[in-house]
Amino acid sequence: GNSVTQMEGPVTLSEEAFLTINCTYTATGYPSLFWYVQYPGEGLQLLLKATKADDKGSNKGFEATYRKETTSFHLEKGSVQVSDSAVYFCALLGGNTPLVFGKGTRLSVIA
Amino acid sequence: NAGVTQTPKFRVLKTGQSMTLLCAQDMNHEYMYWYRQDPGMGLRLIHYSVGEGTTAKGEVPDGYNVSRLKKQNFLLGLESAAPSQTSVYFCASSFTSENTGELFFGEGSRLTVL
Repeated sequence: GNSVTQMEGPVTLSEEAFLTINCTYTATGYPSLFWYVQYPGEGLQLLLKATKADDKGSNKGFEATYRKETTSFHLEKGSVQVSDSAVYFCALLGGNTPLVFGKGTRLSVIA
Repeated sequence: NAGVTQTPKFRVLKTGQSMTLLCAQDMNHEYMYWYRQDPGMGLRLIHYSVGEGTTAKGEVPDGYNVSRLKKQNFLLGLESAAPSQTSVYFCASSFTSENTGELFFGEGSRLTVL
C-alpha cells in the first residue's frame, strides 16, 4: 500500500540556517505529494504540493521537488526563521485511498 | 470564517464512559475525516466519509463509530472509552469527489481517558 517515510526529529536550527527535511514514499501509479505544517496548538494546514514528476511546489520560502526516480519529496528552505518552528508532515495521495501522512518532523528554530 | 470547528476542545473521561466529538464544516465539502495524533505516530486515519450518509473505515477504526447524517457534520463516537484512546483528535474536510489532497483541519480535541 501507499506509505510515506520522513526523517526523525526533532531538528534544531539557528535562525537563517538552511533546512532540509527528507521524505520518501512508496506508492503504485503516480501519486500527488504534499507538505503540511502544524504550528503549536493548531491543526495542520497545507504548505505546498506537487502533482506530477519534476513539479516543484513552493510557498513561504519553502520548496520541494517531486523526484520520481528517487521516490522523494524533500522539503527545503534557504533561511529559516523562529516563526518556522512547527511540525512538518509529508503526505501522499494515490489511488482511491485518503491522504496518507508521515509521522511528522518537529523543527525548532532558535534566535 | 469558521472553516472546520470541533467540539469539545478538551475532555477527560473515565474508562468505560462514552462520548461524542462533533465536527462541523461550513465550506460545503463532500469529504470529511477523523484522525488521531499520537507522539511518534503521526496522524492516523480513524474513519472518513465521502458524502452525506456514507462512512468508511480508516487505518485504526476499532473502538470508534461515526455518523454523517448531515453534509456539514461528522460525529465521532466512543462507546466505551479506554486509556489507549487518550489522544488528540483532528477532524478535516476536503473538496469534491476528486479529493485533491488539500484537507482543511480543525484545531483538535484533546481527550484523556483515565
